[in-house]
Amino acid sequence: EAQVTQNPRYLITVTGKKLTVTCSQNMNHEYMSWYRQDPGLGLRQIYYSMNVEVTDKGDVPEGYKVSRKEKRNFPLILESPSPNQTSLYFCASSILTSSSYNEQFFGPGTRLTVL
Amino acid sequence: SQQGEEDPQALSIQEGENATMNCSYKTSINNLQWYRQNSGRGLVHLILIRSNEREKHSGRLRVTLDTSKKSSSLLITASRAADTASYFCATDAGDYKLSFGAGTTVTVRA
Repeated sequence: EAQVTQNPRYLITVTGKKLTVTCSQNMNHEYMSWYRQDPGLGLRQIYYSMNVEVTDKGDVPEGYKVSRKEKRNFPLILESPSPNQTSLYFCASSILTSSSYNEQFFGPGTRLTVL
Repeated sequence: SQQGEEDPQALSIQEGENATMNCSYKTSINNLQWYRQNSGRGLVHLILIRSNEREKHSGRLRVTLDTSKKSSSLLITASRAADTASYFCATDAGDYKLSFGAGTTVTVRA
């Protein structure tokens, strides 16, 4: 089954404790992206990657890191989480043709609470 | 930055009625997409309309695009309880970023 998986689905942590949210897709998609969703703000893009070893900042990259060592995986790293990073996080992937997108496939989301 | 803005923010309709929501955006685009999200779950792609298209249909969904007004609309006909969800438009401006609006929450009453 074609899918994007994220782990963990729920996480409660404390300020400053490094954490990683994993994302994996089995569709051989070039493009992967991380979003955060906050009430009233919709989805905001954190980082994206157009292929292995190619990553770039989205609209809200501060406090986050990513890496793309393999095509299928795109982990999101919070080196020193703070309470303002409490949010619902989504990973997504898609085929990338030229500079245009096809549909994005979303993971189930990771609800992160930073105390 | 958030390019798409949906209107209204919330919509409540009776089962069987049609639901219409609008999306406005600011810059020129390659395409515009609509997604549905059920209660905190992942988004599901509904339909993509390219900048050279004016209207597109998929089942009970009808999407229009007016690039001169920088706006799009999503019409759901003969709504069902299962259509209760949040709906988001997302614009592809050719900068490798897909920009989402804040969404329209649709409630379909039985």
